[in-house]
Amino acid sequence: TQLLEQSPQFLSIQEGENLTVYCNSSSVFSSLQWYRQEPGEGPVLLVTVVTGGEVKKLKRLTFQFGDARKDSSLHITAAQTGDTGLYLCAGDTRKLIWGLGTSLAVNP
Amino acid sequence: DAGVIQSPRHEVTEMGQEVTLRCKPISGHNSLFWYRQTMMRGLELLIYFNNNVPIDDSGMPEDRFSAKMPNASFSTLKIQPSEPRDSAVYFCASSDNRRGRYNEQFFGPGTRLTVL
Repeated sequence: TQLLEQSPQFLSIQEGENLTVYCNSSSVFSSLQWYRQEPGEGPVLLVTVVTGGEVKKLKRLTFQFGDARKDSSLHITAAQTGDTGLYLCAGDTRKLIWGLGTSLAVNP
Repeated sequence: DAGVIQSPRHEVTEMGQEVTLRCKPISGHNSLFWYRQTMMRGLELLIYFNNNVPIDDSGMPEDRFSAKMPNASFSTLKIQPSEPRDSAVYFCASSDNRRGRYNEQFFGPGTRLTVL
C-alpha cells in the first residue's frame, strides 16, 4: 500500500512564527500537490510541484519537492491567523494518494 | 465560474434508511471523484469516473454503496441501507485530465452525513 506520511499531525503556534510541515513517502510520484482545507469546506489546491528539487513560492508559503520526488515540505513565514487549517499533501501515481494532513492553528 | 456543487450539505437519517448524495462537477471536467473523510482515516477515495465511466471502485466499502454518473454534469452516491459507521463528510471532486494536466482536483463543499 502506498502511503504518504505527514508530520507533525498537529501544530499550534503564535502569529508571526515560522513553521515547516513535511510530507514523506517511499514511493516516487510524478507530481505532488498541496491542499488547504478550512472547517466545513472542501480542500482547495494550493500548488502542484512536478520536478525533483523544484521550489515554488506562494506569497509567504514556500513549497519544495524532494530531489527523488518522494517527499515534500511546506514552509510558512510569519504565520497569520488566516493560515489556520488542515494542510494535505497528495502524490500523483495515476491516481492521487493522500496524506492524513497537518492541522495548523495560528493563534493571535 | 461555478465550482463543484453538492447537495444536500447536511443529512441526518436513521439506520436502515436510504441516502442519496448528489454532485454537479465543474463544466468541462472529464473526471469525477467521490471521497469520504473521517478523523480516523482521513480522506478516502471511494470511486472515480472518467468520461462518465467508473474506472476504479476499489474504495467502495461494500455492496451497500453504489455510484452512478448518467451524464457529464451529474453523479450520485447512494447508501442503502445506511449504518451509523457511514457517518462522515462525503466530498465530490472533479478534474480535467486532458492535455497533460496534473490530476489537480477541485472539491465541492461536502455533505455531512449523520446516521443515527
